[in-house]
Amino acid sequence: SQQGEEDPQALSIQEGENATMNCSYKTSINNLQWYRQNSGRGLVHLILIRSNEREKHSGRLRVTLDTSKKSSSLLITASRAADTASYFCATVWGGAGNMLTFGGGTRLMVKP
Amino acid sequence: KAGVTQTPRYLIKTRGQQVTLSCSPISGHRSVSWYQQTPGQGLQFLFEYFSETQRNKGNFPGRFSGRQFSNSRSEMNVSTLELGDSALYLCASSLLGVATNEKLFFGSGTQLSVL
Repeated sequence: SQQGEEDPQALSIQEGENATMNCSYKTSINNLQWYRQNSGRGLVHLILIRSNEREKHSGRLRVTLDTSKKSSSLLITASRAADTASYFCATVWGGAGNMLTFGGGTRLMVKP
Repeated sequence: KAGVTQTPRYLIKTRGQQVTLSCSPISGHRSVSWYQQTPGQGLQFLFEYFSETQRNKGNFPGRFSGRQFSNSRSEMNVSTLELGDSALYLCASSLLGVATNEKLFFGSGTQLSVL
């Protein structure tokens, strides 16, 4: 089964609003990554947060990590129509021989 | 610096055929990993190659195979295609590999349709 699960599965907001996506995982991790995917295209790396970090910022992105709850959240502030995409969290799952496993993803639609 | 290049972009095959997909990593990257993406199963790890050796393999049948050449270019092959193999196949490259938790650079994918 997948290492990560994300919620919500889909999110629709207006431009200018904030978007929050959550990711939960099952085993201990060294770090967690977030990727973005535009429809039918490849993934683009957004941000990596290490297991000893609690929060990280990159531009309009803010990622938090709670290792005690095995969860992470991605916040996109002041969203734009161009942020419309699917967002995935990813972790390396050592239990299965170092596979990179992805959550199910959150489909974000930002309406202009 | 050129990105990760996957060819072909689209492919249509019939059941029972075999298919070969190609991935050229970013220059200097020695790790290439492959992923299958479907609406039902999401993104799943297929395998990773590093310096021409398979490092890890996901939970896929033996019909899925791959290889990596000395220039780090990688190919994956699917034999005896089934309808369920229809998917977007993505490859990603990095300097040191998946286990080091460095960020991956993805290609645009090959959309395979099996009829």
